[in-house]
Amino acid sequence: AQSVAQPEDQVNVAEGNPLTVKCTYSVSGNPYLFWYVQYPNRGLQFLLKYITGDNLVKGSYGFEAEFNKSQTSFHLKKPSALVSDSALYFCAVRDYKCRRALTFGSGTRLQVQP
Amino acid sequence: NAGVTQTPKFRVLKTGQSMTLLCAQDMNHEYMYWYRQDPGMGLRLIHYSVGEGTTAKGEVPDGYNVSRLKKQNFLLGLESAAPSQTSVYFCASSPRGGEGRLEPQHFGDGTRLSIL
Repeated sequence: AQSVAQPEDQVNVAEGNPLTVKCTYSVSGNPYLFWYVQYPNRGLQFLLKYITGDNLVKGSYGFEAEFNKSQTSFHLKKPSALVSDSALYFCAVRDYKCRRALTFGSGTRLQVQP
Repeated sequence: NAGVTQTPKFRVLKTGQSMTLLCAQDMNHEYMYWYRQDPGMGLRLIHYSVGEGTTAKGEVPDGYNVSRLKKQNFLLGLESAAPSQTSVYFCASSPRGGEGRLEPQHFGDGTRLSIL
């Protein structure tokens, strides 16, 4: 079975500072990894994905994620946080059992203070 | 461009009532999914469909049924609602893509369902 862990329920960062939202995964075989963002009362929006290739993946809104196979991690990063980045962030891994469905982490709430 | 549309957006039911949640997508996607979102648990897959006329169980299928009679629609039914089914329900869709091109899922804005 595959799983995703997001160890932090909430991350607080000041505007303009770099941010990191952590994610670790467990899969058999090659991982397909995703980050999604959810704003209040909205569905999830795709940010970026890792399938294969470069370990640093660039996505929407200036976000990037670093894939580390040895540490089984896929941390989301942004060099300079904006107040508008405040939202709920989900890491997800492809579920091989349920074709192309995703197994999600529990989510991390990002609060960016002005 | 509507994308994925879920109806209704809100609903309150009494225990034992039945209802159907509708998901419609206008992107001609092959795959469709129903998830439920509960606090601190992320999203969990209820049922999914890889094409018109086919459905399969996900992680938490008990108490739910689905149908996909048309490619663009995916219906989620609760035959006898229970308080444990109080949740936010999300529908998503994705194109088939290729094995090396796992396409992201597109989500609707959710249906907030309360069972009293």
